Amino acid sequence: NAGVMQNPRHLVRRRGQEARLRCSPMKGHSHVYWYRQLPEEGLKFMVYLQKENIIDESGMPKERFSAEFPKEGPSILRIQQVVRGDSAAYFCASSPQGNGATNEKLFFGSGTQLSVL
Amino acid sequence: AQSVTQLDSQVPVFEEAPVELRCNYSSSVSVYLFWYVQYPNQGLQLLLKYLSGSTLVKGINGFEAEFNKSQTSFHLRKPSVHISDTAEYFCAVSWNSGGSNYKLTFGKGTLLTVNP
Repeated sequence: NAGVMQNPRHLVRRRGQEARLRCSPMKGHSHVYWYRQLPEEGLKFMVYLQKENIIDESGMPKERFSAEFPKEGPSILRIQQVVRGDSAAYFCASSPQGNGATNEKLFFGSGTQLSVL
Repeated sequence: AQSVTQLDSQVPVFEEAPVELRCNYSSSVSVYLFWYVQYPNQGLQLLLKYLSGSTLVKGINGFEAEFNKSQTSFHLRKPSVHISDTAEYFCAVSWNSGGSNYKLTFGKGTLLTVNP
């Protein structure tokens, strides 16, 4: 049973380009969470999605950032017109139920390191 | 705002020595507490968690942590470390309020380096 898969592992973009980060949850998991880790900071919650629904996007920047989790396929975190401040590690986690934090079946991916030149 | 503080950004120790990684959080309302470990180029792995019950929690790889409500702390300990314990350790808290117990707030992490 493969774990949470994130790709790419490393993504380099120039300022103004778009970045697309993918997260395939573990088999049987329908809840996905995205976190961002800025340099020398802890991980910060961005968004919580279920299949085809955004449950909580309170941690997402108001502009340029969007996330989706379609019925089929991986969850996508999309950053438009990237700026240097978007450089960070982006982690995805998945769980089979919504109480992700207390659920011992919450698993994290290895992250995508986004570098903006 | 609720916050998690890991007091040491780096902790170097020698192999077989004891270690304590400190974690404090900002509020004493009902909380769930976690320690995660991140080995190089890997995702976060749950070491242990406190949800309720006994304040001393035992986790994987010989680690344990103690929940101290009055001091709002959840320090991680291991009596004898191995070189393979070298990794980044993150303390995380979920506040049991408003139905948002799916959300984790993380500390900045402590890099544990075990030297021979």
